[in-house]
Amino acid sequence: AQSVTQLGSHVSVSEGALVLLRCNYSSSVPPYLFWYVQYPNQGLQLLLKYTTGATLVKGINGFEAEFKKSETSFHLTKPSAHMSDAAEYFCAVSSAAGGYNKLIFGAGTRLAVHP
Amino acid sequence: GAGVSQTPSNKVTEKGKYVELRCDPISGHTALYWYRQSLGQGPEFLIYFQGTGAADDSGLPNDRFFAVRPEGSVSTLKIQRTERGDSAVYLCASSLDGGVKKETQYFGPGTRLLVL
Repeated sequence: AQSVTQLGSHVSVSEGALVLLRCNYSSSVPPYLFWYVQYPNQGLQLLLKYTTGATLVKGINGFEAEFKKSETSFHLTKPSAHMSDAAEYFCAVSSAAGGYNKLIFGAGTRLAVHP
Repeated sequence: GAGVSQTPSNKVTEKGKYVELRCDPISGHTALYWYRQSLGQGPEFLIYFQGTGAADDSGLPNDRFFAVRPEGSVSTLKIQRTERGDSAVYLCASSLDGGVKKETQYFGPGTRLLVL
């Protein structure tokens, strides 16, 4: 069965510092991987996704993630944090079962950005 | 264009009562998903509709939970005899086709349910 582990439920960085949010997955088949962001009282918004092809994926708002099969990881990074990046971030993997996109989410990482 | 909308945004009810949560997907999206997000956790899959039919309801926790999508657009999640443990944010998502595993799901803002 698929699963996702996000290391660190809370991450705090200074404005302008590197953002690194960790995600490891378990999958019995080649995975499709997603990062979503959730702002307070809003729905989840897709940041980026990996399906096939290039392992370095660029998303919105300057975020990117790299799929590393050997490490079963899909960490999210941003070179320079902005105050507006403060939110909760979820990593997800698409379930192997079925021909549709049933997502399995990690527990989330809350990112705080301080001046 | 309009995104996924959910009503009500907040619902407070008493233990044992019946509640209905509504989801309006993006127009033209045939796939619709319900997820439940408990405090401090990521969303958990409940049910998936392709058109009018529930193609996968394996995530529904028990028979108190039921969902319908009679015309292939709006969906209603129904919870009977609510329990305090049902308190959570219920998220709805839609996607264009559903038959594509890498397809993006678009989420609504959720309904925050509190059972007293």
